[in-house]
Amino acid sequence: ILNVEQSPQSLHVQEGDSTNFTCSFPSSNFYALHWYRWETAKSPEALFVMTLNGDEKKKGRISATLNTKEGYSYLYIKGSQPEDSATYLCAFEGTGGFKTIFGAGTRLFVKA
Amino acid sequence: EAQVTQNPRYLITVTGKKLTVTCSQNMNHEYMSWYRQDPGLGLRQIYYSMNVEVTDKGDVPEGYKVSRKEKRNFPLILESPSPNQTSLYFCASSPGGGAGFNEQFFGPGTRLTVL
Repeated sequence: ILNVEQSPQSLHVQEGDSTNFTCSFPSSNFYALHWYRWETAKSPEALFVMTLNGDEKKKGRISATLNTKEGYSYLYIKGSQPEDSATYLCAFEGTGGFKTIFGAGTRLFVKA
Repeated sequence: EAQVTQNPRYLITVTGKKLTVTCSQNMNHEYMSWYRQDPGLGLRQIYYSMNVEVTDKGDVPEGYKVSRKEKRNFPLILESPSPNQTSLYFCASSPGGGAGFNEQFFGPGTRLTVL
């Protein structure tokens, strides 16, 4: 079974802090890497789909980078706000099939 | 409104009593999938479907069945539920034949408790 790991498991920051998390995935047979944001009592919502080595995506204060050769992706949040508090999930897709493997997520708490 | 709907949202049942959780999407998506979410484990894929009449196992298919007779519907069937199937279940859909380059849209979730 393919393994997708996220670190840290949880993170507590103050409002205004910038933060980043890591998603590690198999470096072989890469097809796509997804980031989702999951607020408590809601459904996961897509942030980014990344497909090419060196990809960088940005949405407001949130950005992500991708390194498929070494098998990792970083998610950055600049100037964290309380509304950024959520679980951030990454999901790996490999070639040769349509399975999606999710990491366990990074739970972010932003204190006002 | 474009959405994925699941029913029921909450269900408490007993061991061995067959149940079905329905999932429907109105976006004409080809790809649909079921996940379960357990604390500390993240989302684990149960089954997925690339198109009508085409389904395949995810990582945790034991104890579950699915069918895809129509494009919009993808029900999850538990023939004989057991307590270890107590979990939060999500259905998701995606435009493409595979999730691939496309984001998945998630339903609201079904919280199942098997006593």
